Amino acid sequence: DIQMTQSPSSLSASVGDRVTITCRASQTISNFLNWYQHQPGKAPRLVIFAASSLQRWVPSRFSGGGSGTDFTLTISSLQPEDFATYYCQQTFVNPYTFGQGTKLE
Amino acid sequence: QLQLQESGPGLVKPSETLSLTCTVSGGSMNNKTFYWDWIRQSPGKGLEWIGIIYYSGTTYYNPSLESRVTMSRDTSKNQFSLKMTSVTAADTAVYYCARVLSIPSRPVDLWGQGTLVTVSS
Repeated sequence: DIQMTQSPSSLSASVGDRVTITCRASQTISNFLNWYQHQPGKAPRLVIFAASSLQRWVPSRFSGGGSGTDFTLTISSLQPEDFATYYCQQTFVNPYTFGQGTKLE
Repeated sequence: QLQLQESGPGLVKPSETLSLTCTVSGGSMNNKTFYWDWIRQSPGKGLEWIGIIYYSGTTYYNPSLESRVTMSRDTSKNQFSLKMTSVTAADTAVYYCARVLSIPSRPVDLWGQGTLVTVSS
């Protein structure tokens, strides 16, 4: 299985901060990488697909980058509604695997 | 607006079969633009992909679960289902049904609210 490793596991930040979350794949996955936001008690939501494409409802302060094995999710100016756990997911090879999550608090 | 809703028993005994149904409302699942996933999250742990069912009915499963899992769909009822046999406490999790965009990166663009299934005698 492809292992997805996110860093950091948790991140303490404040409103207005610029934050970057990293996701590293154990082998190359091209751009088959998606990012999800998960808030407690809610269904997860797609934020970024294909490494860098913004999902329709997502504000432009979110951006994704990377290709191959190293990927980033950046929030340029953190807003109160952005505090959540973020997961990356590779869909290059079955089984599709997720990172362990990064909790923004 | 299309919505997904999981349904099924919240408690299953060890060694028995877990059966869940996902009902698609507000639109048809009979659409080549979408595939359908099951994903779970064990308490305090991360997300685990269980499997996918394509428009054609073709299924692919996580190899770690493949021997115990079957996914199916009933487009006339706008539902798809998950069956998992021989469950153990390790299968206790919140189970999500989800819609997948039929593009190369297969992103899940819509999730159900999730249903907690506890495996216990």
